[in-house]
Amino acid sequence: KAGVTQTPRYLIKTRGQQVTLSCSPISGHRSVSWYQQTPGQGLQFLFEYFSETQRNKGNFPGRFSGRQFSNSRSEMNVSTLELGDSALYLCASSFGGFVEKLFFGSGTQLSVL
Amino acid sequence: AQTVTQSQPEMSVQEAETVTLSCTYDTSESDYYLFWYKQPPSRQMILVIRQEAYKQQNATENRFSVNFQKAAKSFSLKISDSQLGDAAMYFCAYRSARDSNYQLIWGAGTKLIIKP
Repeated sequence: KAGVTQTPRYLIKTRGQQVTLSCSPISGHRSVSWYQQTPGQGLQFLFEYFSETQRNKGNFPGRFSGRQFSNSRSEMNVSTLELGDSALYLCASSFGGFVEKLFFGSGTQLSVL
Repeated sequence: AQTVTQSQPEMSVQEAETVTLSCTYDTSESDYYLFWYKQPPSRQMILVIRQEAYKQQNATENRFSVNFQKAAKSFSLKISDSQLGDAAMYFCAYRSARDSNYQLIWGAGTKLIIKP
């Protein structure tokens, strides 16, 4: 069974640009959540989607957005990139039940120059 | 708001020995879930062990066990017979049991070094 796939693995952008990250969950999983990991702030929750609906959102500005498609694949978008957006972005999938084991991808390392 | 604190930025242990990683949390809720995740250099978070707050019995998974002290809001991870493959960042995480809250709240992590 294939794991959670995140693409791309590495990304370099400049300030002011926008970026889209992709996450393909494990087959059958309907929930995808996103986390930002930085050395300074640690791991912070961005948002969670289940069956194309956002169920939870963390405390991030509106520049951070996401969506989920009917095949459960998810994308997150960051517009008008800032230097502070440089981070490892992790996505996790599960069947969607309330407290289940989350399966994480290996992340996308975003560098903003 | 809930917080999770890991006071040990780094720990080291000799291979085959036992090590305990500390985690404390703050919450006003009575029902919640606690987790330990491992993040090796591959960056992929892997669930090590999970504890439901309403269960008094400490969770165990092979060489990994927890000491859950609800009153003290403490949730430590014990790794027995440490192996080289255990070297990684370990994160403690909290999740509310409220039906509408799906997010994990994370500690800052502890880097575990295994000495051969």
